[in-house]
Amino acid sequence: DGGITQSPKYLFRKEGQNVTLSCEQNLNHDAMYWYRQDPGQGLRLIYYSQIVNDFQKGDIAEGYSVSREKKESFPLTVTSAQKNPTAFYLCASSISPRGNSPLHFGNGTRLTVT
Amino acid sequence: GESVGLHLPTLSVQEGDNSIINCAYSNSASDYFIWYKQESGKGPQFIIDIRSNMDKRQGQRVTVLLNKTVKHLSLQIAATQPGDSAVYFCAEKGHTGNQFYFGTGTSLTVIP
Repeated sequence: DGGITQSPKYLFRKEGQNVTLSCEQNLNHDAMYWYRQDPGQGLRLIYYSQIVNDFQKGDIAEGYSVSREKKESFPLTVTSAQKNPTAFYLCASSISPRGNSPLHFGNGTRLTVT
Repeated sequence: GESVGLHLPTLSVQEGDNSIINCAYSNSASDYFIWYKQESGKGPQFIIDIRSNMDKRQGQRVTVLLNKTVKHLSLQIAATQPGDSAVYFCAEKGHTGNQFYFGTGTSLTVIP
């Protein structure tokens, strides 16, 4: 089955530690995205990548970093600089960042930092 | 930034009735819109999309209506079933940008 796999589903970390969330897709999509979801708010864009070895900041990139070394993979690192990291993180992909094609989402990683 | 909002945060309907979920968007330049369904603990699932050159689009038991004059988008679900219970989001995208902007969602509860 083609799709987007995010792992782990739940992640717990102590404050001050960096943590990396995995996102893999086998849809052969060029574009990949990371969103953050908080209760009562719409999805907010953290980073996106239109092509391998290229990525751009979204609206809330501070305290996060990404890499895009392979087309299939777009890991997100939540650094200790992120002031409020506890959230539900969603990875998505689309055929092309331009034009009109829908985002396909993974099932998310719920990160809890204490 | 964009502002995408929903008129009602929650909606309860009887099983078998039709559901209508509304969405207001603020950018008149947006030209692509999507409805997503999100069940608890899962990622959003694509339901249906519509481009700005259309007023209506139908899928299986779902219809999306776009009123560009008042910048309003709606999702109609026919013969609502218990499995339709979820949060529904609208999303918009402008033709010059790469970003989608999402509404906060409406929680639909289907009463058996």
